[in-house]
Amino acid sequence: EPEVTQTPSHQVTQMGQEVILRCVPISNHLYFYWYRQILGQKVEFLVSFYNNEISEKSEIFDDQFSVERPDGSNFTLKIRSTKLEDSAMYFCASSEDRGDTEAFFGQGTRLTVV
Amino acid sequence: AQSVTQLGSHVSVSEGALVLLRCNYSSSVPPYLFWYVQYPNQGLQLLLKYTTGATLVKGINGFEAEFKKSETSFHLTKPSAHMSDAAEYFCAVSGTASKLTFGTGTRLQVTL
Repeated sequence: EPEVTQTPSHQVTQMGQEVILRCVPISNHLYFYWYRQILGQKVEFLVSFYNNEISEKSEIFDDQFSVERPDGSNFTLKIRSTKLEDSAMYFCASSEDRGDTEAFFGQGTRLTVV
Repeated sequence: AQSVTQLGSHVSVSEGALVLLRCNYSSSVPPYLFWYVQYPNQGLQLLLKYTTGATLVKGINGFEAEFKKSETSFHLTKPSAHMSDAAEYFCAVSGTASKLTFGTGTRLQVTL
C-alpha cells in the first residue's frame, strides 16, 4: 500500500540552527502539506503546496519557514533558524486532490530544539 | 473560517461498551468532515469522512459517524469498544480549500 514517508523520525538541533525535514509523498498525488503538533496540542496546518508553489499558508508559516520540491519525489520543509518553540512533531501529508479528498499522513518527524 | 470543537479531551470506556466521541464544527461553506486516529508514535490514519450524500458514514474498524447539519455535529461512534481502539482521535474539517482544520483531539482509553 502506498504511503507517505518522512525522514528523519527524530531530529535534535541547537537553537539557531537550520533544519530540513524530508518527505516523500505518494507518487500520483498532486497536493502536499505540512502540519505540526506541539506536544499536548492540536495538529495545526502550516502550508499547502501545489503545482510547484505554495497554495495556502498559515500565520505560523513565517519567513523562517520554506518548502521545496527539489525533484520529482521529495518535499522538504526548511526551518532557517530554529527556536525553542519550534519543537514539535511535524507531519507531511499528500492528497490526489483538494477539499473532500483524503490526505495521507506520514509518521512524522519529532523535532527537538535545545 | 472553519473550526472544530471536540468535547472531552479524555474518554474512558469499558471493553464492549459503546464509544461516543463528540465533534462540533463551524464552517462558512458546506463542510467536508473527517475523523482521524493516531496510535502512539504513529501518523494520522483516516477513519472515515463525510463529503456529500448519505449523512451516516461508515469507516474502518467498525466506526461510524453521522453528519447532523442542524446540530453542526459529526460525532464518532462504535457499538462495542475493543482494547485495540485505545488511541487519540481527531475530528477535522475542510471546505473548498485544501487544508484541514483539526480539533484538539480526544484520547480514548479502553479498560477491561
